[in-house]
Amino acid sequence: NAGVTQTPKFRVLKTGQSMTLLCAQDMNHEYMYWYRQDPGMGLRLIHYSVGEGTTAKGEVPDGYNVSRLKKQNFLLGLESAAPSQTSVYFCASSFRDVGYEQYFGPGTRLTVT
Amino acid sequence: AQTVTQSQPEMSVQEAETVTLSCTYDTSESDYYLFWYKQPPSRQMILVIRQEAYKQQNATENRFSVNFQKAAKSFSLKISDSQLGDAAMYFCAILNNDMRFGAGTRLTVKP
Repeated sequence: NAGVTQTPKFRVLKTGQSMTLLCAQDMNHEYMYWYRQDPGMGLRLIHYSVGEGTTAKGEVPDGYNVSRLKKQNFLLGLESAAPSQTSVYFCASSFRDVGYEQYFGPGTRLTVT
Repeated sequence: AQTVTQSQPEMSVQEAETVTLSCTYDTSESDYYLFWYKQPPSRQMILVIRQEAYKQQNATENRFSVNFQKAAKSFSLKISDSQLGDAAMYFCAILNNDMRFGAGTRLTVKP
């Protein structure tokens, strides 16, 4: 049981490049989340999904897109990376009901130059 | 919008002593959940304790307990018998439809 995994662990992009971050969970969780963590600001929710085929915007969605084609995977895309998107990105998942514990992945450190 | 404020950027405690981390929040909802997460240098987010807003009884998990004051919108974390392994960033969070985190408190444990 791997829990929540994220690919890749590190990435460096040039401004304007695109990339996709992959989150996978093997706990059969319905809910999945993408956060970014910047120094001194805690975690901020980018997008989330309450089930396969559904997505919703969080607190800071601009510049990102997501897809949830399979229940176990949640993809975060950056179409045209900007230096302001330099951050550590965390994926999390939880069971369906609001209030259940979110299980976090190990994070992806992204640097945009 | 929901907000979470952690007014102590850094705290330190002597090993075996007790420390309290502060958290206040703002929400217009009556039904919500509150969490404390720990983030050690490994960067992994670890759930410390969880509180349902509709429960008046304060949650406890071994050496960790909370003081939940719903009217005051306060949710502090008390760590008893502090251990070196407790050193980490601690984040307070509120969950209703989405999750909002505070900026964190860095806890140092002195041997």
